Amino acid sequence: SQTIHQWPATLVQPVGSPLSLECTVEGTSNPNLYWYRQAAGRGLQLLFYSVGIGQISSEVPQNLSASRPQDRQFILSSKKLLLSDSGFYLCAWSRSGFDVSNQPQHFGDGTRLSIL
Amino acid sequence: GQQVMQIPQYQHVQEGEDFTTYCNSSTTLSNIQWYKQRPGGHPVFLIQLVKSGEVKKQKRLTFQFGEAKKNSSLHITATQTTDVGTYFCAGRSGTYKYIFGTGTRLKVLA
Repeated sequence: SQTIHQWPATLVQPVGSPLSLECTVEGTSNPNLYWYRQAAGRGLQLLFYSVGIGQISSEVPQNLSASRPQDRQFILSSKKLLLSDSGFYLCAWSRSGFDVSNQPQHFGDGTRLSIL
Repeated sequence: GQQVMQIPQYQHVQEGEDFTTYCNSSTTLSNIQWYKQRPGGHPVFLIQLVKSGEVKKQKRLTFQFGEAKKNSSLHITATQTTDVGTYFCAGRSGTYKYIFGTGTRLKVLA
């Protein structure tokens, strides 16, 4: 069966510090990968998605970046965090290949990021 | 850009009462998915609707896709405390992307 791992679960960082959040998927090949951010009590904002190694699509202009160095690894980074970067960061995967447009997304447990 | 709105934003119901959340898109959707997020948890996929006018049921949950494929609803019959959480719809935008709705937070009072 497929599993998705995200870490860390919680993170407290000072303003201006760098960030690296990692997400890995097991049990499937060439998944579509997604990073979302959820502000407290709000909806999900799509930040990045990737359909293959090295292929990153950015949805929202910001000081965040994403990379996919391996097939099942997705990394969210920042060189300098802002207060507004606080939130709940969720990684998700979906199947690629046949009927790719109708696949559900499977979410990780998320990282709660607080910027001080 | 494409927007997906949900109403109501919050709903408090007594256990045993029914609950409905509505999802409206600014554009026609190819399909729509519904997710549930428990407090402190991550969204979990519930169901997908693809055809115009489609209705699907999962026990006490009934999902409907509008004829024009621009709106959808989720109805829960006789709510239970286990139904607590936030319900999101997500409409497909392009091949790989889904735009999530604003969510409806449900509280069930025992």
